[in-house]
Amino acid sequence: QKEVEQDPGPLSVPEGAIVSLNCTYSNSAFQYFMWYRQYSRKGPELLMYTYSSGNKEDGRFTAQVDKSSKYISLFIRDSQPSDSATYLCAITPGNYQLIWGAGTKLIIKP
Amino acid sequence: DTGVSQDPRHKITKRGQNVTFRCDPISEHNRLYWYRQTLGQGPEFLTYFQNEAQLEKSRLLSDRFSAERPKGSFSTLEIQRTEQGDSAMYLCASSAPGLAPDEQFFGPGTRLTVL
Repeated sequence: QKEVEQDPGPLSVPEGAIVSLNCTYSNSAFQYFMWYRQYSRKGPELLMYTYSSGNKEDGRFTAQVDKSSKYISLFIRDSQPSDSATYLCAITPGNYQLIWGAGTKLIIKP
Repeated sequence: DTGVSQDPRHKITKRGQNVTFRCDPISEHNRLYWYRQTLGQGPEFLTYFQNEAQLEKSRLLSDRFSAERPKGSFSTLEIQRTEQGDSAMYLCASSAPGLAPDEQFFGPGTRLTVL
């Protein structure tokens, strides 16, 4: 079993829809939960991160962590075609070690 | 542009040849990382530098791979006697000290194709 599981998709939704992206993890020692966005043939870029449980909002993006279920989510409101990318979750105990999901490919149809 | 830069962006080589990639991190970042990413997978950790010291190297990394960071600035990743299985995107990232979590900023990657 991988330490971080993420559905590879692709997930295809119409423009304006609310998108839900998810990961599950197995190690309860992880403290920080990060979401990266990766456009085709580019490096990943950090979108946001949360510490411990709860929600964090940044514009159209909301990150949510449920440590009791070992489940993390990223919600995108009012999705745009420019949001089409691969979204990678990464979890870390807080040091340099990032444990990555495989990434979910998201397609927003105009 | 003050982000992480990598050179070359693409490299095609024949099996058995040696290749070297360069990474220039963000200037004030003292931590530097190399990752490998294949299609449909997340980045796989290869190695980590703090300043010029190589502090961690993945056990998955064979002896054909070597990385250096002279003077704690740019870094090079060399692959000797390339194999077709080495075909992947090689990503470099850097981060500043003292932050939690460690916010890593990635370069655009070098795509290696081994024929």
